[in-house]
Amino acid sequence: RKEVEQDPGPFNVPEGATVAFNCTYSNSASQSFFWYRQDCRKEPKLLMSVYSSGNEDGRFTAQLNRASQYISLLIRDSKLSDSATYLCVVNPDSNYQLIWGAGTKLIIKP
Amino acid sequence: DAGVIQSPRHEVTEMGQEVTLRCKPISGHNSLFWYRQTMMRGLELLIYFNNNVPIDDSGMPEDRFSAKMPNASFSTLKIQPSEPRDSAVYFCASSLGAGGGELFFGEGSRLTVL
Repeated sequence: RKEVEQDPGPFNVPEGATVAFNCTYSNSASQSFFWYRQDCRKEPKLLMSVYSSGNEDGRFTAQLNRASQYISLLIRDSKLSDSATYLCVVNPDSNYQLIWGAGTKLIIKP
Repeated sequence: DAGVIQSPRHEVTEMGQEVTLRCKPISGHNSLFWYRQTMMRGLELLIYFNNNVPIDDSGMPEDRFSAKMPNASFSTLKIQPSEPRDSAVYFCASSLGAGGGELFFGEGSRLTVL
């Protein structure tokens, strides 16, 4: 089993819809979690950190479920510009070692 | 503000040639990472520097790969001799401190080895 697993997609979603995807992790002691966004042929960029209580940033909501060992990302009122690959990142020990998921590709269609 | 700067953006070379990739981290960041990204393997950490000192090079594929950080504002990743399987996008990233997850990536160097 991979340490961090994501559905590779692609998720094809009409503009304005709500989309959610999950990421599962294997190390139950993992400390911190992040979502990065990577546009086609670009570098990854931090989208948001994922806190135990969940957090929201505009149209984006991230949740952590420690019992089931997954994190989720919800995008409301999706825009064409949300089309990207979303990378789930887990930091097991709060040091430099980040475990990267392979990414979920999202395509927003007009 | 200047982000992480990498050069070259694209490199096409022939098998056996030496390749040198360069990186200038964000000023004030004391952690520097070199990653490689391929479709098959995703993002892989090659080497991690903290305060210019290599801390973890366990991800460096083999002796053909070497990395240096002579000062806080410059790092290189060298491949000698290059092989077709080294074709990938190489990202340099920097961060303030080592324990968080907020990395700032450069635009990457896309390497093609023929």
